[in-house]
Amino acid sequence: DSGVTQTPKHLITATGQRVTLRCSPRSGDLSVYWYQQSLDQGLQFLIQYYNGEERAKGNILERFSAQQFPDLHSELNLSSLELGDSALYFCASSARQDSLLNEQFFGPGTRLTVL
Amino acid sequence: LAKTTQPISMDSYEGQEVNITCSHNNIATNDYITWYQQFPSQGPRFIIQGYKTKVTNEVASLFIPADRKSSTLSLPRVSLSDTAVYYCLVGMNSGGYQKVTFGTGTKLQVIP
Repeated sequence: DSGVTQTPKHLITATGQRVTLRCSPRSGDLSVYWYQQSLDQGLQFLIQYYNGEERAKGNILERFSAQQFPDLHSELNLSSLELGDSALYFCASSARQDSLLNEQFFGPGTRLTVL
Repeated sequence: LAKTTQPISMDSYEGQEVNITCSHNNIATNDYITWYQQFPSQGPRFIIQGYKTKVTNEVASLFIPADRKSSTLSLPRVSLSDTAVYYCLVGMNSGGYQKVTFGTGTKLQVIP
């Protein structure tokens, strides 16, 4: 158990819909990262927040957005969903902010299926 | 960000030492090399990180030659539970926009 929690575990929805994925980092970690993992594209970094502020941005679509709240939990919002958005979405946390490659602790993931 | 190249898959027998090599020809001066392990339907787990020469922890060793254009993750005496995908990452975020991908990694299959 990494200490990072993600809800829901599974999500099934239809094209065009909007969903929100939630992540609670390890106690004390200020950085939260979101990743998307699909079968054909490996694990792709989407976005990082540190202590409530956006810190780094990766291949995140304009239809996707995220935020980190004062209690440090984070939400990833996915809108106008397409079939290709079906994937595993991972949240990770770390104590530091200055590197994407310091030790990150990953949650169990949310499996999104868009029908 | 430095591009990495790893073998797609490897097989090994239980009890053998496994070495997975990652190529990163355009590694930058400030880049670190990090390896993660991922089991099916689980999030990746940090294994080891290094900058140069050799790093060892309770799980693995990381060998980095002087030119740093490649690195080798060494797993001693693998067991069936080491069957997983292993990702090599190179880079360091200094802020701003960053594209990072774990790529497809190396799928290690340990055979009894």
